[in-house]
Amino acid sequence: GQQLNQSPQSMFIQEGEDVSMNCTSSSIFNTWLWYKQDPGEGPVLLIALYKAGELTSNGRLTAQFGITRKDSFLNISASIPSDVGIYFCAGRSGGSNYKLTFGKGTLLTVNP
Amino acid sequence: ETGVTQSPTHLIKTRGQQVTLRCSSQSGHNTVSWYQQALGQGPQFIFQYYREEENGRGNFPPRFSGLQFPNYSSELNVNALELDDSALYLCASSPASVQETQYFGPGTRLLVL
Repeated sequence: GQQLNQSPQSMFIQEGEDVSMNCTSSSIFNTWLWYKQDPGEGPVLLIALYKAGELTSNGRLTAQFGITRKDSFLNISASIPSDVGIYFCAGRSGGSNYKLTFGKGTLLTVNP
Repeated sequence: ETGVTQSPTHLIKTRGQQVTLRCSSQSGHNTVSWYQQALGQGPQFIFQYYREEENGRGNFPPRFSGLQFPNYSSELNVNALELDDSALYLCASSPASVQETQYFGPGTRLLVL
């Protein structure tokens, strides 16, 4: 089945630094989504990407849908303590249902 | 407008028992998906309901079943619980216009002893 490889597995950075994380897939996706999950909560949608090559921003967050449709990255600029959490990429490959395949997550820790 | 809600928030069951988890989708959302998230992992797709019909299923045994009601709320039923069923169960709803975009509820934490 499809697998998403998300890296890095964890990051420990200083407040104010920029962060980059990415996801690669063994097969093509039609949609890429990035979520953030806080402890004990459900994932919260950050950015949705629908077209290969698309670059989308949401405040300090920027994400891109790779040209090959097999990868995506998420950048966070000028990190702040509330950016702490687990970031997941998710992809949808098409077909009649809207199943999302998730990566294993990137744990981000921001040191004030 | 309320978001996706789930009940209960936490549940403890013993092996062999049955459990029903509930989800109310966001207003205007007609598609509901259920995911299982084990500790330290990403969510795994269980199944999806669209207009009260199952619309796709992941790699889960038949003892995982579901329902969607006319108001688009949904239930996840798990029979013959096993220890490995301990996980966070997440419900996500999607708007009719952009069904790729799924909005998650806070989840139900299930512990099987």
